Amino acid sequence: GDSVTQTEGPVTVSESESLIINCTYSATSIAYPNLFWYVRYPGEGLQLLLKVITAGQKGSSRGFEATYNKETTSFHLQKASVQESDSAVYYCALGDTQGGRALIFGTGTTVSVSP
Amino acid sequence: DPKIIQKPKYLVAVTGSEKILICEQYLGHNAMYWYRQSAKKPLEFMFSYSYQKLMDNQTASSRFQPQSSKKNHLDLQITALKPDDSATYFCASSQGWGGAQNTLYFGAGTRLSVL
Repeated sequence: GDSVTQTEGPVTVSESESLIINCTYSATSIAYPNLFWYVRYPGEGLQLLLKVITAGQKGSSRGFEATYNKETTSFHLQKASVQESDSAVYYCALGDTQGGRALIFGTGTTVSVSP
Repeated sequence: DPKIIQKPKYLVAVTGSEKILICEQYLGHNAMYWYRQSAKKPLEFMFSYSYQKLMDNQTASSRFQPQSSKKNHLDLQITALKPDDSATYFCASSQGWGGAQNTLYFGAGTRLSVL
């Protein structure tokens, strides 16, 4: 089936350190998968961080980057230097533009950035 | 101010009882969704609506009934509550229907605990 697997948290990093959250997907019924990262800050709803719809392309937002790798079926999220304000839950998601299927999300990875 | 309001934030219920989770969106969107997340599980899609019509239902149990009294409302009625229903329930909306083509906007969630 279609699914998303991501780094199991919680992940704790110190401010100014680098962060990587792994995400791999299985898209057996989706011909052209689209990939997403959503973020949920404390007390708020999830919001879109970045999306990539074409394999081989990179998306970036707020200092975060993720590259859509079709060969390894991965979409890892990286940031070179995190800040305390990056403490949040990060969700990787898989989508299908054919029809209106809902996004398929992972479990979320809780990231805590210590000062 | 939050544009998607979910009420209540926290809810404790007794096994066998019935509860209604409220969701209102003030983004002018035409599509609304319910997702839920239980401990250590993926964020799981439940229902999607477009112009107040049910478009997709991935919930096996008829105990979960969405109710759309207005275009910007999508409440979730849960009957005969079970401890396994304990989860955080998220409402979301998007301009058009379809999670890949449209950015989803989420509420902060209702955390339900069934004793």
